[in-house]
Amino acid sequence: AQLVESGGTSAQPGKTLRLSCAASGFKFDDYSMHWVRQVPGKGLEWVSGISWSSRTKGYAASVKGRFTIFRDNAKNTLFLQMDSLRPEDSALYYCVKGTPIGGDYDSGAFDIWGQGTMVTVSS
Amino acid sequence: SYVVTQTPSVSIAPGQTATITCGGDNIVSKNVHWYQQKPGQAPLLVISYDADRPSGIPDRFSGSNFGNTATLTISRVEAGDEADYYCQLWDTSSDHPGVFGTGTKVIVL
Repeated sequence: AQLVESGGTSAQPGKTLRLSCAASGFKFDDYSMHWVRQVPGKGLEWVSGISWSSRTKGYAASVKGRFTIFRDNAKNTLFLQMDSLRPEDSALYYCVKGTPIGGDYDSGAFDIWGQGTMVTVSS
Repeated sequence: SYVVTQTPSVSIAPGQTATITCGGDNIVSKNVHWYQQKPGQAPLLVISYDADRPSGIPDRFSGSNFGNTATLTISRVEAGDEADYYCQLWDTSSDHPGVFGTGTKVIVL
């Protein structure tokens, strides 16, 4: 099982970025998926999650209304649309697989992690 | 939002037992998961649902959850256990449902 993120780059405040995560080695459409971020040298912060069916989604208060999570089960890909970027959004963004099978976005553990993609927001 | 607290660091000699705690109000009512993160690496799930050990995790790692404290215990500590450890849970009644603890750095002397 593998998760590979892409799309991280430098951007100015107020701009938009879209992160992608390509999944392989497991049945993608059976599991919730998440984005977790980490400022280098700091702790982990859950950003957003989506159920296997896309029926339910959740966001951290710090990104609600600015970020949108979505998935394409036919292409085994997870996305994070990041609008109205702020300097405090600068972090390494991990794509993460949730448990258990068929679980909602707000339950379970994170059992597979990508290596992350770096987002830097600065003027 | 739900607040969880972790001791910033724990220093332990090889062969001893390390205890890492995650404190929160009636945390026993929640499922707590634990992650190990070594420098430059992504986190690794070491304990799920309070006490379940994923495949491949040594039985030196164990977990418990009682009252207001969840605990990750590392028995017979090895140099390779030096890492940051984070607890994680869900607070579905909050505007920030996914919660990570602040992390505990385990230092092997």
